Amino acid sequence: EIVLTQSPATLSLSPGERATLSCRASQSVSSYLAWYQQKPGQAPRLLIYDASNRATGIPARFSGSGSGTDFTLTISSLEPEDFAVYYCQQRSNWPPSFGPGTKVDIK
Amino acid sequence: EVQLVESGGGLVQPGGSLRLSCAASGFTFSSYEMNWVRQAPGKGLEWVSYISSSGSTIYYADSVKGRFTISRDNAKNSLYLQMNSLRAEDTAVYYCARDMTPGSCYFQHWGQGTLVTVSS
Repeated sequence: EIVLTQSPATLSLSPGERATLSCRASQSVSSYLAWYQQKPGQAPRLLIYDASNRATGIPARFSGSGSGTDFTLTISSLEPEDFAVYYCQQRSNWPPSFGPGTKVDIK
Repeated sequence: EVQLVESGGGLVQPGGSLRLSCAASGFTFSSYEMNWVRQAPGKGLEWVSYISSSGSTIYYADSVKGRFTISRDNAKNSLYLQMNSLRAEDTAVYYCARDMTPGSCYFQHWGQGTLVTVSS
């Protein structure tokens, strides 16, 4: 099973700042990686798939990059609604697995 | 609009059973693989089970294998999760989730979740 690790565990930033979140896989997942956003009491929301493709309706301030074992989710300028927990997920090997999450909170 | 609505959660004693349902609408249910994903209170996401569009292929996480059974009724646009021999560690919100596109294994559509609490 592929293990995903995310860093940092918590990121404290102010609105308007740039957020850079990292996800590392225990073995190569090629580009088969997604990012999700989850707010309290809500279901996760798919942001990015195949490492760098934005899902339908996702604002351009969200971007993803990386391949192999190292991936990055970048939020170019944080909006108030972006403060949430972000998870990465791989679909390269069965079973699909999620990272432990990065919480982006308000500084 | 894609809609997934889970039901069937509740409080159950250790060793007990529960059956979750997920009612789907807004898309051709019989064309999509479906999954159950759970989230323990204050914890991250854990994939639980997968079923192919026809129901012929099924997978489980090791943590639930032999205790949980996934099934679907394409005529009723419904997904199910039969949970037996429940343990305290099965306490979680259970989401049904649909792939973004058939076979993609990226979960674009989620229900609101149903809470299962295993406690005496």
